[in-house]
Amino acid sequence: GNSVTQMEGPVTLSEEAFLTINCTYTATGYPSLFWYVQYPGEGLQLLLKATKADDKGSNKGFEATYRKETTSFHLEKGSVQVSDSAVYFCALADRGSTLGRLYFGRGTQLTVWP
Amino acid sequence: DTEVTQTPKHLVMGMTNKKSLKCEQHMGHRAMYWYKQKAKKPPELMFVYSYEKLSINESVPSRFSPECPNSSLLNLHLHALQPEDSALYLCASSQDGTRFTDTQYFGPGTRLTVL
Repeated sequence: GNSVTQMEGPVTLSEEAFLTINCTYTATGYPSLFWYVQYPGEGLQLLLKATKADDKGSNKGFEATYRKETTSFHLEKGSVQVSDSAVYFCALADRGSTLGRLYFGRGTQLTVWP
Repeated sequence: DTEVTQTPKHLVMGMTNKKSLKCEQHMGHRAMYWYKQKAKKPPELMFVYSYEKLSINESVPSRFSPECPNSSLLNLHLHALQPEDSALYLCASSQDGTRFTDTQYFGPGTRLTVL
């Protein structure tokens, strides 16, 4: 079956620290992988995505590389800001997924202190 | 424009009320989704419409009734809800749901409280 495992939060960092949020997946094929971010009181926004192995998605200083050999899609940012405080969801859509169904990880709460 | 709009932003209703949530997109997308999200949890899929036809119902109780009047609009009719139905209801849309590479675009959600 399809599933996504995210590192357990919460994650608390000081401003300008390096961020890694781990995400590994199980899928029947070669899925598309997504990172969504949810700011307090808001809906989900696509942060970045990768649709094939070795692709790197990037946006707003965040990056994630689709690693088929380790079935991973870890999110990284070199220097976090207070405004990055949010919940981050890793998700996949499998080739056989009906109507692009997304499988979400549990979410990781990130808090950045000034 | 990648915007999905939802109204109302907040809704408080009693267990005997009937209310509706509305979702709209003007991206020409032909797949639209309803999700329910409880606090500190990922979104849970409820319904999927593809080309205005209900394609997925994730065994949602009949007190939730979806409707897709046209390709831009999606409604969720609520009746006789329970307090445990209190949650954030998210709408999303994608190109047409046939490509697993497509992005789902989410609206800001309706925060529903059932008293």
